Amino acid sequence: AQSVAQPEDQVNVAEGNPLTVKCTYSVSGNPYLFWYVQYPNRGLQFLLKYITGDNLVKGSYGFEAEFNKSQTSFHLKKPSALVSDSALYFCAVRDEITGGGNKLTFGTGTQLKVEL
Amino acid sequence: NAGVTQTPKFQVLKTGQSMTLQCAQDMNHNSMYWYRQDPGMGLRLIYYSASEGTTDKGEVPNGYNVSRLNKREFSLRLESAAPSQTSVYFCASSGERGRNQPQHFGDGTRLSIL
Repeated sequence: AQSVAQPEDQVNVAEGNPLTVKCTYSVSGNPYLFWYVQYPNRGLQFLLKYITGDNLVKGSYGFEAEFNKSQTSFHLKKPSALVSDSALYFCAVRDEITGGGNKLTFGTGTQLKVEL
Repeated sequence: NAGVTQTPKFQVLKTGQSMTLQCAQDMNHNSMYWYRQDPGMGLRLIYYSASEGTTDKGEVPNGYNVSRLNKREFSLRLESAAPSQTSVYFCASSGERGRNQPQHFGDGTRLSIL
């Protein structure tokens, strides 16, 4: 079965510093990976995805993610954190389903706190 | 353009009561999903509908039923609510341009079972 792991429940970073939120995956076949963000009392919002191609994927709000096949990792990064980036971040892996659509398996989430 | 709309936003039930959570999307998406979110467990898939007229079980389907009413609407029913079903429920949808389209989420229904 496909799975992702987010080893850190919480990440704290100072505003202006770079941030990394970690994700490792386990899949059979090619990995299709996603990052989502959740603000309080809201649904998840899509940030970026890795399908194939470049190992550095750029997404929304200045976020990017680095895919590393040998380490089976897909870490989320941002060069300069903002207080407004504070939120809950989820990594997810796609399971293919018959008939279309995609079934996602989510990690347990990482709470990012950016402080002044 | 509302995206994915869920109703109600909050609900409190007593054990054994039944209720239906409603979800509608206006993006002409083929696929729709129901998840539950519990602290420390991420999101877990309850049921999904790959296309209109089909539904399938996800990871945690016990105690739930679904109906894909039409292309826009996908409802989740709790026939006899239990305290273990206290959770935040999210509906999502995804488009038809290939299987790697991101899912779009509603803002959730916060359900408490007493």
